Amino acid sequence: GAVVSQHPSWVICKSGTSVKIECRSLDFQATTMFWYRQFPKQSLMLMATSNEGSKATYEQGVEKDKFLINHASLTLSTLTVTSAHPEDSSFYICSARGSDGYTFGSGTRLTVV
Amino acid sequence: DQQVKQNSPSLSVQEGRISILNCDYTNSMFDYFLWYKKYPAEGPTFLISISSIKDKNEDGRFTVFLNKSAKHLSLHIVPSQPGDSAVYFCAASALGQGGKLIFGQGTELSVKP
Repeated sequence: GAVVSQHPSWVICKSGTSVKIECRSLDFQATTMFWYRQFPKQSLMLMATSNEGSKATYEQGVEKDKFLINHASLTLSTLTVTSAHPEDSSFYICSARGSDGYTFGSGTRLTVV
Repeated sequence: DQQVKQNSPSLSVQEGRISILNCDYTNSMFDYFLWYKKYPAEGPTFLISISSIKDKNEDGRFTVFLNKSAKHLSLHIVPSQPGDSAVYFCAASALGQGGKLIFGQGTELSVKP
């Protein structure tokens, strides 16, 4: 079946630094990828929709200058958390939409200290 | 504005009995609904889906029912097994709105032996 690889699975960074998270569709092409954020015991909140070769569409309340999304190819989307702060600590999950539907990555636990 | 709602944060069921998880939605444009199972610090795992042209879809122990007039869907698991214990999310999408998945808050299912 379709597989989405997300890296890193966890990362700890210092406040003020930037962190990049990668999301790759391994055996299918994904024209659209989605980025979600989940706080403990809460829902998966959609942050943005990423389309290959175009600018991402951000949900209301999501700072596009803070959460930079790049979808440079049909198999790779990246989320960069810029100038991270402790409140950015969360679980980030990507999803790729292919012909078989939606496939999720395994998530990235970001801790900003 | 919570477009997808799961009003029961938790559910406890005896092994072998039926588990019924409920989900309500408000957006009449939603035309595709999915159920996911999730463990902490992992990505969601797809369980079953249903298109708005159907009112029932069955896959093994899992059955999803859709009541469009009530904007309500439910997931039935029968018989329930201890391995089913996890957080279950319903999600909905509208093709005409970019196909992004909107998630409910989740219901934590505990199946006791």
